[in-house]
Amino acid sequence: GAGVSQSPSNKVTEKGKDVELRCDPISGHTALYWYRQSLGQGLEFLIYFQGNSAPDKSGLPSDRFSAERTGGSVSTLTIQRTQQEDSAVYLCASSSGIDEQFFGPGTRLTVL
Amino acid sequence: QQQVKQSPQSLIVQKGGISIINCAYENTAFDYFPWYQQFPGKGPALLIAIRPDVSEKKEGRFTISFNKSAKQFSLHIMDSQPGDSATYFCAAKGGSQGNLIFGKGTKLSVKP
Repeated sequence: GAGVSQSPSNKVTEKGKDVELRCDPISGHTALYWYRQSLGQGLEFLIYFQGNSAPDKSGLPSDRFSAERTGGSVSTLTIQRTQQEDSAVYLCASSSGIDEQFFGPGTRLTVL
Repeated sequence: QQQVKQSPQSLIVQKGGISIINCAYENTAFDYFPWYQQFPGKGPALLIAIRPDVSEKKEGRFTISFNKSAKQFSLHIMDSQPGDSATYFCAAKGGSQGNLIFGKGTKLSVKP
């Protein structure tokens, strides 16, 4: 079966531009997570969607970051006015709601 | 309270040897402890996970040892192979959190 997919795989943008990153979770998974992985670092939690509940936004580093999940499936992470420190790999994961989280391949964002 | 501390940062093991990676946590509400394997350019893949009601879990060459009183858990890779060369992350979650808290990773190199 299809796993978690993310697009684009790579994104290069200029400082100050807005970017949108997309995640397609595993079909039927009710939970969706966004994490950020900076070079040589572990994964940093950003935001979590569970079913129709209000998302847990506690990990978002600034108000330039936002995410939405439409129809309980596809999610878009938006970064406004990108900064060089936003350069990282953005990873999406989905879960059936128990424990196991399955990760996508990530989107590598480079802000010049 | 939210940290998961992982060591060592890097590890070199000879083919056929045992690789051991350690993690420690503070939050006693954590009740799920997975290990993820990540190859360059790929998303993390779930390797093995444990809950605190058991002290050890084995899947093939991979074993998690869990010490609840010490708040520590470790990954043992028996008969390490060059194909095991990757970055390994421990993680934890539980209590009111849906997201995983990750360690900073261990880069394992298995020499032939």
